[in-house]
Amino acid sequence: AQSVTQPDIHITVSEGASLELRCNYSYGATPYLFWYVQSPGQGLQLLLKYFSGDTLVQGIKGFEAEFKRSQSSFNLRKPSVHWSDAAEYFCAVGADAGNNRKLIWGLGTSLAVNP
Amino acid sequence: GAVVSQHPSRVICKSGTSVKIECRSLDFQATTMFWYRQFPKKSLMLMATSNEGSKATYEQGVEKDKFLINHASLTLSTLTVTSAHPEDSSFYICSARWPSSYYEQYFGPGTRLTVT
Repeated sequence: AQSVTQPDIHITVSEGASLELRCNYSYGATPYLFWYVQSPGQGLQLLLKYFSGDTLVQGIKGFEAEFKRSQSSFNLRKPSVHWSDAAEYFCAVGADAGNNRKLIWGLGTSLAVNP
Repeated sequence: GAVVSQHPSRVICKSGTSVKIECRSLDFQATTMFWYRQFPKKSLMLMATSNEGSKATYEQGVEKDKFLINHASLTLSTLTVTSAHPEDSSFYICSARWPSSYYEQYFGPGTRLTVT
C-alpha cells in the first residue's frame, strides 16, 4: 500500500537560513507527488507537484522539490527562509483505491522560524 | 483560480443536534470533492470521497449514517454531522479535485466544529 513518511515532526530554522523538509514515499509505479502548506488560520495551499519530466520542480513562494526515484524521496527546499514561512508542511502521494483517486498524506512537518 | 470556500468557518452546536457544512468550488467545476478531519497537531484524515450525482465513498471506520455527504451539483458538496456528540468536535476540511487532474486537490479554509 502507498504511504508517505515525513521523518521530521518539527524543525526550527533561523530567518535567512536554508531549509530542507524530507519526504519519503512508498509506491510501486511512478508517483504523483505534492507538497502543501497550511499556515495558521488558513487552508492548505498547493506549493508544488510532480507528475513526470524534470525531477526538479519549482513551486510558489520560492520553494522547490526534487524527485529522486532511487531514494523514493521528494524533499522540499528553500534557499532562504522568511518568517512568514512558519507553517505546517504536508507531503502527499496520489493513490488509486478502486474507482477513486485520493491523496495519501504524511503526518506533516511543523516549521518554526527564529528571527 | 482554484478557489474553494467552506461555510461556516466556525460552528458551535449542542449535543444531539445536527450540523451542515457546505463546500463550494467557486471558479471551477468539481466532479469529485473530499472531506477530511484534522485533529490538533495531526495530519489529515480522509473521511469520504464525494462524487457528483452518486453516493459518497466512505473510508474504513467512518460512520456513513453519522456523516452524511451530498454532492448535488458540480460546485457544491455538503457534510452533515448528525446527532453530534462532543467527540465529533474537530476541524473539518473539504477539497475539490481539479477537473483535468488525477489527484490535484484544492482546499477550503476549514470549519471548526465544537459540540457542547
